[in-house]
Amino acid sequence: DVKVTQSSRYLVKRTGEKVFLECVQDMDHENMFWYRQDPGLGLRLIYFSYDVKMKEKGDIPEGYSVSREKKERFSLILESASTNQTSMYLCASRGTGTGYEQYFGPGTRLTVT
Amino acid sequence: AQSVAQPEDQVNVAEGNPLTVKCTYSVSGNPYLFWYVQYPNRGLQFLLKYITGDNLVKGSYGFEAEFNKSQTSFHLKKPSALVSDSALYFCAVGDSNYQLIWGAGTKLIIKP
Repeated sequence: DVKVTQSSRYLVKRTGEKVFLECVQDMDHENMFWYRQDPGLGLRLIYFSYDVKMKEKGDIPEGYSVSREKKERFSLILESASTNQTSMYLCASRGTGTGYEQYFGPGTRLTVT
Repeated sequence: AQSVAQPEDQVNVAEGNPLTVKCTYSVSGNPYLFWYVQYPNRGLQFLLKYITGDNLVKGSYGFEAEFNKSQTSFHLKKPSALVSDSALYFCAVGDSNYQLIWGAGTKLIIKP
């Protein structure tokens, strides 16, 4: 069964802190994604990666960076957290050549105070 | 540019009645269309997709969706709603780079 896990379900951080969100998939998928979800805005793509050490900016990359050192792990980094980064963060993965559907982790609800 | 619209923020249906959650899209070329469901405090779960072929697509939990090319729509349907179907539903379309463009979501409330 497909499985994507995220390191935390809930996280509270202070403004200016460096924040790491981890995502691990066990499906040997090449493609991994980070989204943020805000009410009424749907899902917005922050970054994605199509291979180890490869990354591409999505629609809203400002204030975020990512790291993919191993195929199964994709990390989202908030260099200096701000209150407008309070949101639900969703990680997803997708295989190549298996269609478009993405498989999602449970999400991390981040609150920056 | 490709886009997806879910015109209803919320849909209310009585248990046992049929339900429809609407989605319209704008793409160049052939559309790849998806529905996902999100239960409270959970990630998104894939329900069904349309790539090609039969316009009526069947998915998980008794849901189906009808692809209508002339109306550029991909509405999600279920013949008889359950209270447990209450959730947030997202429509998405695949773009030329194999990414998904997402609608804003529709909250479905099924009342007993």
